[in-house]
Amino acid sequence: GAVVSQHPSRVICKSGTSVKIECRSLDFQATTMFWYRQFPKQSLMLMATSNEGSKATYEQGVEKDKFLINHASLTLSTLTVTSAHPEDSSFYICSARRFWEEQYFGPGTRLTVT
Amino acid sequence: GQNIDQPTEMTATEGAIVQINCTYQTSGFNGLFWYQQHAGEAPTFLSYNVLDGLEEKGRFSSFLSRSKGYSYLLLKELQMKDSASYLCAVRDNTDKLIFGTGTRLQVFP
Repeated sequence: GAVVSQHPSRVICKSGTSVKIECRSLDFQATTMFWYRQFPKQSLMLMATSNEGSKATYEQGVEKDKFLINHASLTLSTLTVTSAHPEDSSFYICSARRFWEEQYFGPGTRLTVT
Repeated sequence: GQNIDQPTEMTATEGAIVQINCTYQTSGFNGLFWYQQHAGEAPTFLSYNVLDGLEEKGRFSSFLSRSKGYSYLLLKELQMKDSASYLCAVRDNTDKLIFGTGTRLQVFP
């Protein structure tokens, strides 16, 4: 099956710093990648959709200047949380899809901002 | 607006059968997915329905009625390892996967 990896799996950073999370599709080329955020005991909330080589499309209420998404190749997308604050602490999950196939999820990244 | 409803929590006994319901109202419909998610892990794919009817896959089955905006996930011969959250998700007409709030299932011995 298709494998999606995320790095790092856990990260702790200080308030005001920036954190970059990588999402890679390991054995397929992903035409579209998605970034989700999940708070404890809540479901996944879509943050943005990115297609390789074009700008990401952000969901309403998600600040594009705070959550920078880059999808430079068909196998890599990055999410950078800029000037992180404690309220940004969450579980960030990416998923990747090739054309109209199902989405494959990465293992997630637990971000803690102190 | 987009709305996907599931029960928040359910409990069941090992060896039993449990049905998790999902109702949805979305901007268009391009398929319904069920995912299993253990605490602290990413969701794993369980099933996909795009046409009305029942899809069976081992101990798991999923049913869809598009006219009623309704689906259910049926889990048979429950095992302790089935304790997890079950997420219903609909792909809408903008190609996004919209998730329900998830149902936390606890299986007791």
